[in-house]
Amino acid sequence: DAMVIQNPRYQVTQFGKPVTLSCSQTLNHNVMYWYQQKSSQAPKLLFHYYDKDFNNEADTPDNFQSRRPNTSFCFLDIRSPGLGDAAMYLCATSRDRWNSYEQYFGPGTRLTVT
Amino acid sequence: AQSVTQLGSHVSVSEGALVLLRCNYSSSVPPYLFWYVQYPNQGLQLLLKYTSAATLVKGINGFEAEFKKSETSFHLTKPSAHMSDAAEYFCAVRIIQGAQKLVFGQGTRLTINP
Repeated sequence: DAMVIQNPRYQVTQFGKPVTLSCSQTLNHNVMYWYQQKSSQAPKLLFHYYDKDFNNEADTPDNFQSRRPNTSFCFLDIRSPGLGDAAMYLCATSRDRWNSYEQYFGPGTRLTVT
Repeated sequence: AQSVTQLGSHVSVSEGALVLLRCNYSSSVPPYLFWYVQYPNQGLQLLLKYTSAATLVKGINGFEAEFKKSETSFHLTKPSAHMSDAAEYFCAVRIIQGAQKLVFGQGTRLTINP
């Protein structure tokens, strides 16, 4: 089945220690999104890629970076995690920028910062 | 600006009872509206979507929603609740700012009582 895969499902990192979260997709979708979801809150969009075109949300901290080396993979890098960055990180895809209404979500990576 | 508001952060119903989760939208253009479900420690799964076609939309797992322009509402219903429906439900509206994005409501946690 075509799907969105996130690894690892659970990640523990230390305060200030860089961490990378991974997302891959077999849907061959052009757009990939990263969301941050804190406990009992709605998902908040951090940034998205349309193909290789990177689009940052205005309020996304500089501490968060992303890479998309090819269509299938997208990475979220947190350069110096703080305690406030503990959250669920959700990756999503959509077929294209304009004509696809649906986003397909991965299972998420739960990040703990100690 | 487009937004959605979910009325009630927690809803509790008995098994077999009607489920009604409320969502109101604000939009200056015809909206595209979505309902997503999130089970514990999982990503979001699309339940149904409204994209300006039929105002009564049927989704998966027996859920449906009705778009009412006069009431700016898009409430989610299911005639008979099942224990497996216990989850967090998010209403979302599509916005286009350079590329399409989703803006989520705060979510409603649905509890099913035996």
